[in-house]
Amino acid sequence: DTAVSQTPKYLVTQMGNDKSIKCEQNLGHDTMYWYKQDSKKFLKIMFSYNNKELIINETVPNRFSPKSPDKAHLNLHINSLELGDSAVYFCASSQEIASGTYEQYFGPGTRLTVT
Amino acid sequence: GEDVEQSLFLSVREGDSSVINCTYTDSSSTYLYWYKQEPGAGLQLLTYIFSNMDMKQDQRLTVLLNKKDKHLSLRIADTQTGDSAIYFCAEGPTSGGSYIPTFGRGTSLIVHP
Repeated sequence: DTAVSQTPKYLVTQMGNDKSIKCEQNLGHDTMYWYKQDSKKFLKIMFSYNNKELIINETVPNRFSPKSPDKAHLNLHINSLELGDSAVYFCASSQEIASGTYEQYFGPGTRLTVT
Repeated sequence: GEDVEQSLFLSVREGDSSVINCTYTDSSSTYLYWYKQEPGAGLQLLTYIFSNMDMKQDQRLTVLLNKKDKHLSLRIADTQTGDSAIYFCAEGPTSGGSYIPTFGRGTSLIVHP
């Protein structure tokens, strides 16, 4: 069974469009994340969200917004797509397994190409 | 500057040992992590070490931590071609009960037959 799943796996769209990427985790984890990985493989956290708190990386444009309909889902909405948004987007979830110890699981990624 | 630094590439011959190094800046991190990313896939947690430990061994993997120098390394014994991947070091504080990791840029390990 897939622990963290994302759809779609590939997304090709034109500049100016609005798109969403969906993420679901079946691990019962409390916290979910969105990361952006650029062409040089640099991984940057965009959002962290649990039922208590949304933490936003202040460098993320407000065109990006996370939406969590329930604890198992964290979708990423992107408005007015730009060329620089082309990247691989990873969803992840985590749970504290012991005091101060977290295990984090990643989805397979969504490759977004903006033309 | 970056909070977690790694060299970008490492090339080894199959059967040799690989050592991937990482330096970090946040001394408050309780745990430090190593992740592996294979081509076209997400990151997979490999191992982690508690900050009051010097070493942790898990089969072919050995993690060494020098807390004074804020230096973390991952040694892979008897490296195989299947170990070719990008390896990320991560550390991170918690906030509101969430783990907020900072990743290094990743080290691409290339294993030659």
